[in-house]
Amino acid sequence: AQKITQTQPGMFVQEKEAVTLDCTYDTSDPSYGLFWYKQPSSGEMIFLIYQGSYDQQNATEGRYSLNFQKARKSANLVISASQLGDSAMYFCAMREFNTGANSKLTFGKGITLSVRP
Amino acid sequence: DVKVTQSSRYLVKRTGEKVFLECVQDMDHENMFWYRQDPGLGLRLIYFSYDVKMKEKGDIPEGYSVSREKKERFSLILESASTNQTSMYLCASSLEGAGSAFFGQGTRLTVV
Repeated sequence: AQKITQTQPGMFVQEKEAVTLDCTYDTSDPSYGLFWYKQPSSGEMIFLIYQGSYDQQNATEGRYSLNFQKARKSANLVISASQLGDSAMYFCAMREFNTGANSKLTFGKGITLSVRP
Repeated sequence: DVKVTQSSRYLVKRTGEKVFLECVQDMDHENMFWYRQDPGLGLRLIYFSYDVKMKEKGDIPEGYSVSREKKERFSLILESASTNQTSMYLCASSLEGAGSAFFGQGTRLTVV
């Protein structure tokens, strides 16, 4: 079974508007962390934001926030005030902290975001 | 800044060749990972290592092996390269626990 699911097709957003990128996950481990990464066309993977399963508040980093709904097992990324430079592939990822020796980082298939001027 | 360096940005190899992809990190991270990235499939974990000489299989280890003789270096080995191993290979490292993983720039491998 897929651990991380990103099912949206390519997303489009108008510059300066907000956009939500969906991510659902599957785990029975009570202790886990969720990550979002950005991959522009140049190929590098850029870490954006992290949410721990025990964190009481939704994570925020500048224009990025994570809409964490634990009961629904969703961790959607919200980008406010989109900029042209936000056009990229976005990946959701998870680490489960109680799954044996060490925790591997599992990724979803990614979502392509295009920002229109 | 954390630096993860992959030895090559682009590589072209022939079918049947033994291929080494090298990755070095400079932040004393315990964990190191090798992924391959293919369009529509996202990043798939090949192998990871949580300590020197320790390794665990990821989701797609077939056709690959790894070596970690020193903490800072994690090598991916294609024993006999095949055309279906043409892909982008990404190395990453992280501290143990909740820390984010940091990625190298990627190696685009073409097997002809």
